[in-house]
Amino acid sequence: EPEVTQTPSHQVTQMGQEVILRCVPISNHLYFYWYRQILGQKVEFLVSFYNNEISEKSEIFDDQFSVERPDGSNFTLKIRSTKLEDSAMYFCASSEVWAGELFFGEGSRLTVL
Amino acid sequence: TQLLEQSPQFLSIQEGENLTVYCNSSSVFSSLQWYRQEPGEGPVLLVTVVTGGEVKKLKRLTFQFGDARKDSSLHITAAQPGDTGLYLCAGANINSGGSNYKLTFGKGTLLTVNP
Repeated sequence: EPEVTQTPSHQVTQMGQEVILRCVPISNHLYFYWYRQILGQKVEFLVSFYNNEISEKSEIFDDQFSVERPDGSNFTLKIRSTKLEDSAMYFCASSEVWAGELFFGEGSRLTVL
Repeated sequence: TQLLEQSPQFLSIQEGENLTVYCNSSSVFSSLQWYRQEPGEGPVLLVTVVTGGEVKKLKRLTFQFGDARKDSSLHITAAQPGDTGLYLCAGANINSGGSNYKLTFGKGTLLTVNP
């Protein structure tokens, strides 16, 4: 069964370092999303991406965050200068059609020290 | 800001019991989804409800969307240990232009079904 895959599963980094989280969405999907879940908190929307551009972003997604689809298969989330409060599980999701079922990856746990 | 409140936050029951968990909001959503999340994994969609008053059944799980499309419930009949997990509701928002789509999640109900 097709699935969304994410790497790394866990990354530990020092505050101020750049981090890139990678996602491979399901191959025929056109809509891509990043969500995050701080430990013990709710899953929060970060950004949606379609047709090689950001469709919508939340207030969490400030200028320290960026997304890219560099090669037609990967979908990356970059945090330029990590802060302690960026520690969270980051989930990538994709859907085939607009407002269609979202398929989530298993997440990348980011720990900022 | 749209909020979804889920209750109870934690629920521990014995195998064979019935249970209902709730998802409430003061906002109207275009649709509401229920997910189940296992530890260390991403949410997995169980059902989407769209129409006010809609009831959907998935084996022993019954989902209902409130008439005003602001609240929903999940009822599990004869719970089994395999039902253990975090149950999340998520409201879908479509922006005024109809071009963007995102989910607003509740914090979830952590269900434990003891054998």
